[in-house]
Amino acid sequence: DTAVSQTPKYLVTQMGNDKSIKCEQNLGHDTMYWYKQDSKKFLKIMFSYNNKELIINETVPNRFSPKSPDKAHLNLHINSLELGDSAVYFCASSQVPQRFRRVVVQFFGPGTRLTVL
Amino acid sequence: RKEVEQDPGPFNVPEGATVAFNCTYSNSASQSFFWYRQDCRKEPKLLMSVYSSGNEDGRFTAQLNRASQYISLLIRDSKLSDSATYLCVVMAARSVSGYSTLTFGKGTMLLVSP
Repeated sequence: DTAVSQTPKYLVTQMGNDKSIKCEQNLGHDTMYWYKQDSKKFLKIMFSYNNKELIINETVPNRFSPKSPDKAHLNLHINSLELGDSAVYFCASSQVPQRFRRVVVQFFGPGTRLTVL
Repeated sequence: RKEVEQDPGPFNVPEGATVAFNCTYSNSASQSFFWYRQDCRKEPKLLMSVYSSGNEDGRFTAQLNRASQYISLLIRDSKLSDSATYLCVVMAARSVSGYSTLTFGKGTMLLVSP
């Protein structure tokens, strides 16, 4: 059974389109994350939600809008896709948020490889 | 200076070799430290946390030097299955709320050959 799942696995689309990526976790975790791994392989946090509440919002264009309908799901909608949005997007979850000195393990989904043409 | 810096490699070693990776971080207020492993076209997976006193998990030993802001990973008796990219990860608070985020290094690629 997959702990953190993402759909679709691959997404190829034209510039200017709007697309969504879905993420679900069946671990009973409270906290979920979206990361972007670009062609240079840097993995960077984009957003984090805890119990459906946005707690981390890094400097991300407002074309990116996360939505958490419940604590097991975190979706990412991207408007007006640009070439630079091409990357692998990873969803992750953890039992509780990373806070102070608490050591919290994050579990990652398999990634969604987005290619914007 | 990048927040987390690693030698990208690749490190090419024969099976059975001992190999060490280093990592430096710039934020002196960093709270926790980890090594993640990422196989080609797969998601990152936690390998081990890194504690101030150093810690060992089987063939893997991690060390932390807070004064020098330096983390290391030693792999003994390398196996073919150890071939992967090893990501140095640092946790630091991002806001007064106390919520922290993980900052990933670019990774060091290890290739173990027969």
